[in-house]
Amino acid sequence: SQTIHQWPATLVQPVGSPLSLECTVEGTSNPNLYWYRQAAGRGLQLLFYSIGIGQISSEVPQNLSASRPQDRQFILSSKKLLLSDSGFYLCAWSVHNGGNQPQHFGDGTRLSIL
Amino acid sequence: KQEVTQIPAALSVPEGENLVLNCSFTDSAIYNLQWFRQDPGKGLTSLLLIQSSQREQTSGRLNASLDKSSGRSTLYIAASQPGDSATYLCAVTRGSQGNLIFGKGTKLSVKP
Repeated sequence: SQTIHQWPATLVQPVGSPLSLECTVEGTSNPNLYWYRQAAGRGLQLLFYSIGIGQISSEVPQNLSASRPQDRQFILSSKKLLLSDSGFYLCAWSVHNGGNQPQHFGDGTRLSIL
Repeated sequence: KQEVTQIPAALSVPEGENLVLNCSFTDSAIYNLQWFRQDPGKGLTSLLLIQSSQREQTSGRLNASLDKSSGRSTLYIAASQPGDSATYLCAVTRGSQGNLIFGKGTKLSVKP
């Protein structure tokens, strides 16, 4: 069966520090991968998605970037965090070209910026 | 620009009641609509996915309907239980790669 792992579960970082959140999927090949953010008082917002290694699409302009160095690994990064980057970050996967397939979510990372 | 709205924002019901959660979207050009459940501090669990060509999907006590032309979906929960307490999220798929656009959710509380 397929599983998705995100770490860390919680993170407290000072403004201006770098960020690296990692997501890995097991039990499937060539998945579509997604990063979402859930900010206080706002709905879930798609940040990035990837349909293959090295292929990243950005949905919103921001202080963050994403990379996919391996088939089942998706990384969310920032060089200098802002207060507005606080939120709950969720990684998800679906089968390749999965526009009509359900998305499966990890347990998320709670990021607090001080 | 696609917008997804969920009403009500919060709902409290006694155990055993049947209830309906509402979702509306502004652009009918969708691939599908999905309903998710989110427990506090947790990720999302997929409940039901309705393809754009379908009218409804059922899973156990859950039934979701889709009226694409009017931009509406409902999630019906039969015989609610305290374990159903969670936030329920509706999302529409905008593109062929599964880009989801979410509503802000309905927070459901089922009282014993």
